[in-house]
Amino acid sequence: EADIYQTPRYLVIGTGKKITLECSQTMGHDKMYWYQQDPGMELHLIHYSYGVNSTEKGDLSSESTVSRIRTEHFPLTLESARPSHTSQYLCASSDRQGRYEQYFGPGTRLTVT
Amino acid sequence: QKEVEQDPGPLSVPEGAIVSLNCTYSNSAFQYFMWYRQYSRKGPELLMYTYSSGNKEDGRFTAQVDKSSKYISLFIRDSQPSDSATYLCAMSADNQGGKLIFGQGTELSVKP
Repeated sequence: EADIYQTPRYLVIGTGKKITLECSQTMGHDKMYWYQQDPGMELHLIHYSYGVNSTEKGDLSSESTVSRIRTEHFPLTLESARPSHTSQYLCASSDRQGRYEQYFGPGTRLTVT
Repeated sequence: QKEVEQDPGPLSVPEGAIVSLNCTYSNSAFQYFMWYRQYSRKGPELLMYTYSSGNKEDGRFTAQVDKSSKYISLFIRDSQPSDSATYLCAMSADNQGGKLIFGQGTELSVKP
């Protein structure tokens, strides 16, 4: 089983609140990713990082931001949550040579009311 | 047009059936082809990967890649209720820095 953790697993929050979704991995992987997943839809990459102090926006526009201060930690922040942010957020990591195998966390199910 | 298209299902089969899951793609640069399995309320886990064209077998699972047709398949033999999950195809190219492009997933239910 992959050693990648996400907290919280479920979050229900009101509009306008600031939230941070946590993601940590203990595999020493350089590359980390955040995906958004909605029912019946493909995973959309919203942020990725190739190492400490490296962050890039993914293919899907997102109002969230990320940081990578430590190799093992890749948190995602929403400054002001809106109902349109309701979704499943998946964190993944891969090693430097990982062209295919990404290890996924269990996901955070976010509901904004 | 999406780079990767996958039949969304859902697919319901009796236990013991042979299951065929398929994806088509448009980007001829894709060389790495993967199948992920995602159980309810869990993250995806890598099931099989294939580099370039050809077949790969692992127990009851066989992955096929036909680059000339831009078509990949996953076959499950003797399907079991424990195979009930969503199956996601994913692809990558050398010039994409490890980023994967996913299909929308096929939900499979195997009935005892």
